[in-house]
Amino acid sequence: QQQVKQSPQSLIVQKGGISIINCAYENTAFDYFPWYQQFPGKGPALLIAIRPDVSEKKEGRFTISFNKSAKQFSLHIMDSQPGDSATYFCAGHFGNEKLTFGTGTRLTIIP
Amino acid sequence: DAGITQSPRHKVTETGTPVTLRCHQTENHRYMYWYRQDPGHGLRLIHYSYGVKDTDKGEVSDGYSVSRSKTEDFLLTLESATSSQTSVYFCAISDGTSGRTLSTDTQYFGPGTRLTVL
Repeated sequence: QQQVKQSPQSLIVQKGGISIINCAYENTAFDYFPWYQQFPGKGPALLIAIRPDVSEKKEGRFTISFNKSAKQFSLHIMDSQPGDSATYFCAGHFGNEKLTFGTGTRLTIIP
Repeated sequence: DAGITQSPRHKVTETGTPVTLRCHQTENHRYMYWYRQDPGHGLRLIHYSYGVKDTDKGEVSDGYSVSRSKTEDFLLTLESATSSQTSVYFCAISDGTSGRTLSTDTQYFGPGTRLTVL
């Protein structure tokens, strides 16, 4: 079973702080690692993604750090804002066009 | 939601009744997917389609069937609904030309259908 393990299940961060969500995978055949953001009542939407040939990707306040040897990757949200409060999913992509998702992290940013 | 609609958006039904959920896309994407989302389980793939009349099972396909007679429509059918199928169902699409660019690997999700089986 190609799994993606995500932690923590929930996270509370103060406004302006750094939010960090971690994922670990088993299958080295994954070729693409996206992060999705989901607001209540909405479908998940792609936030940021990385391929395994780079160690870091940054888009605005969002950064993916990727450690290929450890088979781990993480999402960092800098200067976290109340509007970042959402559920975040990491995933691994196969060449056969399927995604395996982590179980999700509910992030709450408090003032 | 990237030109994806799902219908109905909410449905309450009784155990043993058949239910069909519809996903419609206007993006002409090759791949379509059905997921269910449950607390503590994230998003789990039920079935997916890689072209008209071409479908395959995902990790939680028991009790579900799918059909795709047109590029734009992907139907999910619960032949005899059970309470364990109470969930939020999401349709997703992708261009599916893996490796060409990140955008072509991306899956875009619809707004979801909340299904309650009593």
